[in-house]
Amino acid sequence: EPEVTQTPSHQVTQMGQEVILRCVPISNHLYFYWYRQILGQKVEFLVSFYNNEISEKSEIFDDQFSVERPDGSNFTLKIRSTKLEDSAMYFCASSAGTGYSPLHFGNGTRLTVT
Amino acid sequence: GQQLNQSPQSMFIQEGEDVSMNCTSSSIFNTWLWYKQDPGEGPVLLIALYKAGELTSNGRLTAQFGITRKDSFLNISASIPSDVGIYFCAGQNFGNEKLTFGTGTRLTIIP
Repeated sequence: EPEVTQTPSHQVTQMGQEVILRCVPISNHLYFYWYRQILGQKVEFLVSFYNNEISEKSEIFDDQFSVERPDGSNFTLKIRSTKLEDSAMYFCASSAGTGYSPLHFGNGTRLTVT
Repeated sequence: GQQLNQSPQSMFIQEGEDVSMNCTSSSIFNTWLWYKQDPGEGPVLLIALYKAGELTSNGRLTAQFGITRKDSFLNISASIPSDVGIYFCAGQNFGNEKLTFGTGTRLTIIP
């Protein structure tokens, strides 16, 4: 079964550094998402992306965050200047389209900011 | 914003027991989904519900979409060790693809 893949599985970075988290969504999917899960908490929506632009973003997704689909397969999340509170699991997800199309999630990147 | 509360927060059961958990929302959703998350992994879709009142099964799992569209429950029959994990409900609305996740129910099986 096709799956969403994310790299790296674990990223350690120093506060203030830039990080790029990478995702390869399922190939025929059109909608792409990033979610975040702080340890022990629920999964929170960050951003959705469709037709090469952001379709919705949450309050968490401030100017430090950006997303990009640089080619036909990758979908990236960049955090420009990481803060301690950015430490979390970051999940990429994709879906086929509107309505009856559940999201499929990758296994996540654990980001640790020191 | 929309809030989804799940109960119970955690459950400790013996293998073979049936499990029931539910999810309530402060607002209506058109679609309800149930995901399971194993440690260190992403949420995996278990069941999707698309109509109010719908009852859907997937093996030992049964879920229902509440009539008011503000709640859903998930039942697991005859639990087995691999059922251990965190179960999340999620709501979705047509024309807005994002999921709003519940607070989660952690299931532990006592040997």
